Amino acid sequence: SQQGEEDPQALSIQEGENATMNCSYKTSINNLQWYRQNSGRGLVHLILIRSNEREKHSGRLRVTLDTSKKSSSLLITASRAADTASYFCATDPDRASGSRLTFGEGTQLTVNP
Amino acid sequence: GAGVSQTPSNKVTEKGKYVELRCDPISGHTALYWYRQSLGQGPEFLIYFQGTGAADDSGLPNDRFFAVRPEGSVSTLKIQRTERGDSAVYLCASSPQNQRGNEQFFGPGTRLTVL
Repeated sequence: SQQGEEDPQALSIQEGENATMNCSYKTSINNLQWYRQNSGRGLVHLILIRSNEREKHSGRLRVTLDTSKKSSSLLITASRAADTASYFCATDPDRASGSRLTFGEGTQLTVNP
Repeated sequence: GAGVSQTPSNKVTEKGKYVELRCDPISGHTALYWYRQSLGQGPEFLIYFQGTGAADDSGLPNDRFFAVRPEGSVSTLKIQRTERGDSAVYLCASSPQNQRGNEQFFGPGTRLTVL
């Protein structure tokens, strides 16, 4: 079963605009990760934020985490057509063993040239 | 270096048949994960290995699903008596070791279609 919910389910923007995707989750976490997936195949890791961090940047990506609200957001600035993909948040649970990821249902981002 | 590879890339089988899906992790990665992804959904965890042992198999949906990693490298996911509901993309991922906060490196997946 999916732990997370992401919104919006689909987002269509123009090149150069910013894209914001949100993720909510239910259980306590050790960290939260964002992945990108093209064409329904392999996922590519984008960024990881730990439960004791509130914000993190990587290039054009900015991730925030609010553990009190159990939510995270991914901002892509100055979007490009090549950013078109599905984006998933994944939570790594705060438990003694294991590092299984629980994924949300994803946001399909379309960046129009 | 080579990433995670999975074979076959596509597998079409008939209901009731047995299938094996193979995953070659990144060399040296001790943790290996299997996920299943249905159309329009996020990946769902099936099982993970630390070395040769299955450290967590709680995501396997039933006893028709089994996975092995006999030498701590290549893993095979085995599905017996396949059902149409097993149709999905099966994703494998590996990470250097099962430390908290490791990113997982995913393969391209095997698309399984059960007719």
